[in-house]
Amino acid sequence: GAGVSQSPRYKVAKRGQDVALRCDPISGHVSLFWYQQALGQGPEFLTYFQNEAQLDKSGLPSDRFFAERPEGSVSTLKIQRTQQEDSAVYLCASSFGTVGTEAFFGQGTRLTVV
Amino acid sequence: TQLLEQSPQFLSIQEGENLTVYCNSSSVFSSLQWYRQEPGEGPVLLVTVVTGGEVKKLKRLTFQFGDARKDSSLHITAAQPGDTGLYLCASRSSASKIIFGSGTRLSIRP
Repeated sequence: GAGVSQSPRYKVAKRGQDVALRCDPISGHVSLFWYQQALGQGPEFLTYFQNEAQLDKSGLPSDRFFAERPEGSVSTLKIQRTQQEDSAVYLCASSFGTVGTEAFFGQGTRLTVV
Repeated sequence: TQLLEQSPQFLSIQEGENLTVYCNSSSVFSSLQWYRQEPGEGPVLLVTVVTGGEVKKLKRLTFQFGDARKDSSLHITAAQPGDTGLYLCASRSSASKIIFGSGTRLSIRP
């Protein structure tokens, strides 16, 4: 498809387990964002990539969270030793340029830590 | 840190009624965006407003950017059940970050 694709759509992890969430942005999009959205809240910024460079990771809540985009296209958000408070929807977005260009969001991955 | 405050947090109205939701900040924005998010989906951009005092219309939706570019409103005329969703205002304050408000959850009763 032509949109941002995220997988898996749903993930249930046992507390302490590591998880990896994948984002396939729209082809050719330079910018890629990861957001965390708690139930009933607006998305909270996690990290931003411009091509393969991670220019801003100020929103990552702890060192258990790690993101990469090694070839400037697909990105992976990894959460180590998951905890219950990590339960949320993780959204990925991409945009063609930087400031002023529209960001397109994927459907998100709903992570539930039990 | 720029904060976007949205009000009301929840709104439930009857089909056919009009409504207005608000987005406020103490900061000045170069532009402001409105998104709608439906359950199980990501946010979808509705409009971007750039100029202070700007008014944009999208069918029954009217968006206004405050003169001082610190606030914005979204007015829906004759609401329909399909308008149900989470309405988010946002600002891309830098190349690296889009900041979202906490959203207004709108429910339209048939």
